[in-house]
Amino acid sequence: DADVTQTPRNRITKTGKRIMLECSQTKGHDRMYWYRQDPGLGLRLIYYSFDVKDINKGEISDGYSVSRQAQAKFSLSLESAIPNQTALYFCATSVSGRISDEQFFGPGTRLTVL
Amino acid sequence: AQTVTQSQPEMSVQEAETVTLSCTYDTSESDYYLFWYKQPPSRQMILVIRQEAYKQQNATENRFSVNFQKAAKSFSLKISDSQLGDAAMYFCAYRSGPMEYGNKLVFGAGTILRVKS
Repeated sequence: DADVTQTPRNRITKTGKRIMLECSQTKGHDRMYWYRQDPGLGLRLIYYSFDVKDINKGEISDGYSVSRQAQAKFSLSLESAIPNQTALYFCATSVSGRISDEQFFGPGTRLTVL
Repeated sequence: AQTVTQSQPEMSVQEAETVTLSCTYDTSESDYYLFWYKQPPSRQMILVIRQEAYKQQNATENRFSVNFQKAAKSFSLKISDSQLGDAAMYFCAYRSGPMEYGNKLVFGAGTILRVKS
């Protein structure tokens, strides 16, 4: 079983719709992240959370919100989707206390906004 | 803010040969970490290799090695004996060292590696 799961894997929606992308992990990690990937831009950080009560904006948070429902769950919401939010979205986790720890990525969600 | 630049959008290599992917970064910090991630067509992000800036010795992982030039802020990835399964998008990434900055990664734009049989 995958340690970091994302649902849905693919989603097509229309402009103006609200959409939620979900991330769950069984790794027991306290830190979770949302990135988006665009061609020619690599991955960019949207939001990150160091524990359930600690949520922080990343490089490109406008138009997005997040919720950390539990240590294992971190959701990303688009309140009113727009076409330039079409991208590949990744959730990642890591554990605090390690200096050179690794981030573990989910399989990604391909979102298309028409 | 730190930036990571991968100047090669695409590279090709013949199977069994060696290829080097380039990465440069800009930072004023002295304590940081550098990573290479592989993204095959499955979309999964896979850590290939990491380098701590305070270590002078270049990291190696089997057929993968890096050439870390701290003064030049360069971090290239060398893949030896290339295999068809190495075909993927490769991302270079930077992370600040101090823990109060968390584990946020800054990624380059990526390099597509094609392996010819």
